Amino acid sequence: GAGVSQTPSNKVTEKGKYVELRCDPISGHTALYWYRQSLGQGPEFLIYFQGTGAADDSGLPNDRFFAVRPEGSVSTLKIQRTERGDSAVYLCASSLNGGTTYNEQFFGPGTRLTVL
Amino acid sequence: KQEVTQIPAALSVPEGENLVLNCSFTDSAIYNLQWFRQDPGKGLTSLLLIQSSQREQTSGRLNASLDKSSGRSTLYIAASQPGDSATYLCAVRPPNTGFQKLVFGTGTRLLVSP
Repeated sequence: GAGVSQTPSNKVTEKGKYVELRCDPISGHTALYWYRQSLGQGPEFLIYFQGTGAADDSGLPNDRFFAVRPEGSVSTLKIQRTERGDSAVYLCASSLNGGTTYNEQFFGPGTRLTVL
Repeated sequence: KQEVTQIPAALSVPEGENLVLNCSFTDSAIYNLQWFRQDPGKGLTSLLLIQSSQREQTSGRLNASLDKSSGRSTLYIAASQPGDSATYLCAVRPPNTGFQKLVFGTGTRLLVSP
């Protein structure tokens, strides 16, 4: 596609439920990133994929959060036993590659997650 | 730990004014700095990227400067228009966390009134 797409655009769930958020990167981009943006804050890094592997998952807040990218393209962010504090906009970005200094990230529109 | 601060948090100006948004970062050892625009309900749009070896970048009415030694960047918007209303975020890529991670400031919400 022309840009990074994310589905769903909005997700409302109840505390304790499981959710999956999907990201479709720009075709040909090998690097993919997830960020979380809480209200009034800047995005915070969660995880970075180079190809199929998670090269840096240091931003995942706890073991309820997990992300996969099995074929090196689409990625899914999975959140188990959701908590109200997980409510935020989850942003996905992709870049052509992840290993060079000049490495512009292109962002999707985000998924707004609301945990009731 | 790299921290990025943006001042002011919000700014309201009449159309036509020139304005400056400020960004400061605590660790001057960065690979690059990027300014983004965020519209409500939409993702981030990259405006300007300044490499660590550069002092400034220009695109149309936008000019971004970088002073690594003092840990500061400014985004200058000339002849502001109502369509410039958005949240502006700056982000740095710090070297001690690898190439890939962006560290963002909290943003400046800009409102340009007709």
